[in-house]
Amino acid sequence: AQTVTQSQPEMSVQEAETVTLSCTYDTSESDYYLFWYKQPPSRQMILVIRQEAYKQQNATENRFSVNFQKAAKSFSLKISDSQLGDAAMYFCAYRTDPQEGGADGLTFGKGTHLIIQP
Amino acid sequence: NAGVTQTPKFQVLKTGQSMTLQCAQDMNHEYMSWYRQDPGMGLRLIHYSVGAGITDQGEVPNGYNVSRSTTEDFPLRLLSAAPSQTSVYFCASSRPGQGANEQYFGPGTRLTVT
Repeated sequence: AQTVTQSQPEMSVQEAETVTLSCTYDTSESDYYLFWYKQPPSRQMILVIRQEAYKQQNATENRFSVNFQKAAKSFSLKISDSQLGDAAMYFCAYRTDPQEGGADGLTFGKGTHLIIQP
Repeated sequence: NAGVTQTPKFQVLKTGQSMTLQCAQDMNHEYMSWYRQDPGMGLRLIHYSVGAGITDQGEVPNGYNVSRSTTEDFPLRLLSAAPSQTSVYFCASSRPGQGANEQYFGPGTRLTVT
């Protein structure tokens, strides 16, 4: 079974600064998908960014980008120009390629609580 | 589109009671799933379905039943509630086929079993 580890229970950053959230995962598969989800106090799960393992280019969505290191099984999230609205829990998640069989769903890390200091 | 809807938003049960958490989506998504979220934990997969009439177990299926008679609905049944099932439950749906497809989550149901 795959595991996802987020080693930072809590991170704090000044507004307008850059912060990086860490995520590592353990898998023996070659094809898979990685995601970062944001969960604000409303508890709604919101997709931030996704990465296909077969793509070498790191995904970018506006102020959010990832550093995907497949060999190291690392998938960090960088948030640039942090805003107060970025304050939330952030979850890293892994999904097996559905074509590979096995349980088809997301495996989540325990999350990182991001605090934005004004 | 309403997206993914869940009812109720909150529920309190006594040990041994049964209930059904409702989940519906109006996006014609074939794939639907249920997760639970406990304090200090990420979401964990309970059951999932890749289409009407097809369901399968996830990581933590014990104590829960599901069925999928229509594309739109995917109810989660607790047959005999236990305090260990106190949690927040999320339903999600997505288009099938591509693993990168975004999973759309409902707003969650907070369940307390006393």
